[in-house]
Amino acid sequence: EVQLLQSGGGLVQPGGSLRLSCAASGFAFSGYGMSWVRQSPGKGLEWVSVISNTGGRAYYADSVEGRFTVSRDNSQDTVYLQMSSLRAEDTAVYYCAKVRLGIFAGLDLWGQGALVTVSS
Amino acid sequence: DIQMTQSPSFLSASVGDRVTITCRASESISSFLSWYEQRPGRAPKLLIFAASTLQTGVPSRFSGSGSGTDFTLTISSLQPEDFATYYCQQTYSAPLTFGAGTKVDLK
Repeated sequence: EVQLLQSGGGLVQPGGSLRLSCAASGFAFSGYGMSWVRQSPGKGLEWVSVISNTGGRAYYADSVEGRFTVSRDNSQDTVYLQMSSLRAEDTAVYYCAKVRLGIFAGLDLWGQGALVTVSS
Repeated sequence: DIQMTQSPSFLSASVGDRVTITCRASESISSFLSWYEQRPGRAPKLLIFAASTLQTGVPSRFSGSGSGTDFTLTISSLQPEDFATYYCQQTYSAPLTFGAGTKVDLK
């Protein structure tokens, strides 16, 4: 089955760190860029990051630049989002998604989402 | 950064209605625009990419048009399952910004 299975969400204190994982199955993972998108409670979608199929290029939203790092392990068909210096405003459901083509394109397969709550 | 402005923010409609949602980019993005549908509690779903190309499996009542800065998503005959929130996203340059969304609900 073609799917993305996310893990790693949870409650973290302000200033803390957390790593999200997204395991792919059913498609040639190493051939596709992967992206992260988040959604704060009751709000719209916010693009967070994208990484190329080889991991050689990555881009970030201004709001997370310098605090979040996207990476991937093509041998494990998994993409990661390492989040540090977390703030209350980072509280959101985080989705991983497959880029349809290249690195700048629509997102045609989404994970189920992982809730990250930043609170003391 | 490229800003994406969607309108309207809310739209009340009936089953069978023709619905149009617009998205305007703050600068030209050629045809690098995607549309998504999101139902409550669910992950978004890609409807249209490259401004007007229907994603595989998406019903033909959905269509997209536009290029440059102005884009439109049209639902030709609204079905009960179409009551959802719709987002545009520019994929021209990073950061790949989304519009604020249009919620379509039952009149």
